[in-house]
Amino acid sequence: QKEVEQDPGPLSVPEGAIVSLNCTYSNSAFQYFMWYRQYSRKGPELLMYTYSSGNKEDGRFTAQVDKSSKYISLFIRDSQPSDSATYLCAMRLTYSGAGSYQLTFGKGTKLSVIP
Amino acid sequence: GAGVSQTPSNKVTEKGKYVELRCDPISGHTALYWYRQSLGQGPEFLIYFQGTGAADDSGLPNDRFFAVRPEGSVSTLKIQRTERGDSAVYLCASSPHLGWGYTFGSGTRLTVV
Repeated sequence: QKEVEQDPGPLSVPEGAIVSLNCTYSNSAFQYFMWYRQYSRKGPELLMYTYSSGNKEDGRFTAQVDKSSKYISLFIRDSQPSDSATYLCAMRLTYSGAGSYQLTFGKGTKLSVIP
Repeated sequence: GAGVSQTPSNKVTEKGKYVELRCDPISGHTALYWYRQSLGQGPEFLIYFQGTGAADDSGLPNDRFFAVRPEGSVSTLKIQRTERGDSAVYLCASSPHLGWGYTFGSGTRLTVV
């Protein structure tokens, strides 16, 4: 079992739909949780980050972390064709010891928003 | 520059050859990271630098892989005796502080034939 599991999709939705993306993880020591967006042939760009459990909202994007269930989610409201990309979840440990500054990524979910 | 620059953008090499991949980080970013992304997978950690020193190289798959950052800015990832399994996109990122504020480059797509 990989440390971070993410359904690779593909996921296809109509424009304006609410999109729900999620990841599960096995290492309870993860404390920082991130969502990246990656367009084809580009590097990942950071969308959202949260520390420990809770919700965070930024415009049309909401990130949720449930540490008790080891489950994180990203919601996209009023999805647009420009949101079509691969969405990667990533996690990081909190302590300053070995390995703590590595990001562990999921496989990514490929999203298509159809006009 | 405005972003992280990686050169070349594409590299095709023959099995057994040596390759160097270059990363120019954002000016002033002290931390630099290398990741490898195989087709259909998320990026996997290789190594990171704080300044000139490799702070964590635990992700390098074997001793054919080596990276340097001699002056604390540009970094080079070096792969000896390339194998077909090394084919992937090699991503570089930099950040102003270790572990935060990553900016990724567009990567070097390495194909070993």
